[in-house]
Amino acid sequence: EAGVAQSPRYKIIEKRQSVAFWCNPISGHATLYWYQQILGQGPKLLIQFQNNGVVDDSQLPKDRFSAERLKGVDSTLKIQPAKLEDSAVYLCASSLDKGSVYGYTFGSGTRLTVV
Amino acid sequence: AQSVTQLGSHVSVSEGALVLLRCNYSSSVPPYLFWYVQYPNQGLQLLLKYTSAATLVKGINGFEAEFKKSETSFHLTKPSAHMSDAAEYFCAVSEGGGADGLTFGKGTHLIIQP
Repeated sequence: EAGVAQSPRYKIIEKRQSVAFWCNPISGHATLYWYQQILGQGPKLLIQFQNNGVVDDSQLPKDRFSAERLKGVDSTLKIQPAKLEDSAVYLCASSLDKGSVYGYTFGSGTRLTVV
Repeated sequence: AQSVTQLGSHVSVSEGALVLLRCNYSSSVPPYLFWYVQYPNQGLQLLLKYTSAATLVKGINGFEAEFKKSETSFHLTKPSAHMSDAAEYFCAVSEGGGADGLTFGKGTHLIIQP
């Protein structure tokens, strides 16, 4: 079974630029999560999708972050404009249904550096 | 709101010694609890999870954890440390509702001394 695919692996941008990250979950997984992991901290949930609908985006900074999951499969997370404090690893995870029951599978992440 | 506290940002043990990583949680409902391991530049790998069945949970690589409701704890142990156990360990909690994203602790960096 292929894992959760994320791209790019690394990205360096200047502040105020925009950036997008892509996630391809495991085939058939209905639930998709995006996390932000700042260096030295645990991951923080940004947004959860169930199929193509948003379940929880309470911690997503909506003034600059946006996410979509068209057709309930792939997902894109965008930052516009980026700030220095957005430097982090962005992790995508997916689950067959509820992750608390079926388990969460994490991708390797995209490391963003904002300079 | 749920939260997780991991005591000790760094833990150092000798190879062959007992590993004990501490985790305390706060949750308004019976929680689902998880331990993950993260190696450098890699994603998170599940070690074990508690989902309201047996309170002593066995995981991969010889790790186990015990859920203690009275102490709101879920400490991770391994009887004998191996050099390959050196990594970052995260405890996480989910309240298991429709919005069931994980809330993570800050992590504990495990150092294995030869």
